[in-house]
Order: sequence, then C-alpha cells, then structure tokens
Amino acid sequence: NAGVTQTPKFQVLKTGQSMTLQCAQDMNHNSMYWYRQDPGMGLRLIYYSASEGTTDKGEVPNGYNVSRLNKREFSLRLESAAPSQTSVYFCASSEVRAGTGELFFGEGSRLTVL
Amino acid sequence: AQSVTQPDIHITVSEGASLELRCNYSYGATPYLFWYVQSPGQGLQLLLKYFSGDTLVQGIKGFEAEFKRSQSSFNLRKPSVHWSDAAEYFCAVGPPGDDKIIFGKGTRLHILP
Repeated sequence: NAGVTQTPKFQVLKTGQSMTLQCAQDMNHNSMYWYRQDPGMGLRLIYYSASEGTTDKGEVPNGYNVSRLNKREFSLRLESAAPSQTSVYFCASSEVRAGTGELFFGEGSRLTVL
Repeated sequence: AQSVTQPDIHITVSEGASLELRCNYSYGATPYLFWYVQSPGQGLQLLLKYFSGDTLVQGIKGFEAEFKRSQSSFNLRKPSVHWSDAAEYFCAVGPPGDDKIIFGKGTRLHILP
C-alpha cells in the first residue's frame, strides 16, 4: 500500500532548465495538492486539484504549471527553473469534502536550482 | 481570503512541562482545522482535526486542541511533553466545501531535559 508516491526524490537543475515532478496516489482520493516547504515559511500551496480535470491556483502558483492526468496522477512542471524555486516539494491527496479531511503526503522532492 | 497565523516561531519547554501552541485563523465561517507534526527529516503526520461538534478535540500522542470561535483560535495543548515531542508543528485551515487547505508557518518545539 504505497499511499502517495513522488518522483524524483532529489533533483539539481540549472537556471532556465525545465522539469516535471510526478505524483501518484493509490487511495482513490479526489483531491490532490502540491506544496512547497521553505525554512521559516511553512508549507505553501502551489496548486490543487479538487477532481480529475480541474486545477486551481494556490498561494504561490507563479512559475509553475500542473496537470491532473487522471484521478491518480498530478504532476508539477517548472518550465524555466529559477533559484527561488529551490525548495522541498510535497504532493498530497485527500478527501476533504467527504469529511475525512486528512492530507496524505508523499515523502517530498528536494529540488536545487543553481 | 483564508489565512492562518502561528505567532510563535520557536517554543522551548522543559520535559514534563505543559505545552500550548497557538493558532489563529481568518475566515468568514468556521473552517476545517488541523494540526500536523513534522519530526526532523520526516514527513507530516496528522495530530488531530476539527470539522464540527465538540470544540475540544482529542488527537494522537496525548495532544488535544480547542476551537474557540470567538477568538478564531485553535490552540494545541499537551499536559506533559516528552523529549520525543521535539518537532515542528503546523496548523492548517480549509473552507468547508472547498479543498483549498493552507498551512501556517509552523512552530518549532524544543524540549529541555
């Protein structure tokens, strides 16, 4: 029972390069999320998806794009990476509106942009 | 727009002492409220949540939280902390009927032996 799986776990990019973070969940959750975690800033919501086919901006969407490929998968793309995007990225899934509410997190992806 | 504030960046308590971590939110109605814990190098674990009903919520590891509508607060408490409670604690809020869950900046808890 894998839960939420993120890949890659570590990545180093040069400024201007692009990359995609992949996330998949096997809990049949409708909602999926991408957060970034930076020291002293907590977790900030980048994008979320309430259901397959829908995506919404979070608190810090600039510089990112997302795709909800199907119910299981939610990817995060950096088109032109910047040093300010150096962070730890967490994917999560949930069934908030169903009342269970708990966010299930992946193990995180540490991204460094040089 | 919803927001959540954790006023204390760091808190230090002695082992065995009581603990209260503060969380204030800004939202028009009563939101869903959560506390998560992140131990060093670990992922995030749900301690407890409040959706409705009894305003005193019991969670795992001996934690509890009290929702106070009049103060827009959801403070986390523990009567006696253990060294293993040293971690970072995050309060989170989400509007009922929506999926947008946002987190506070966190409070790092240090335990003195």
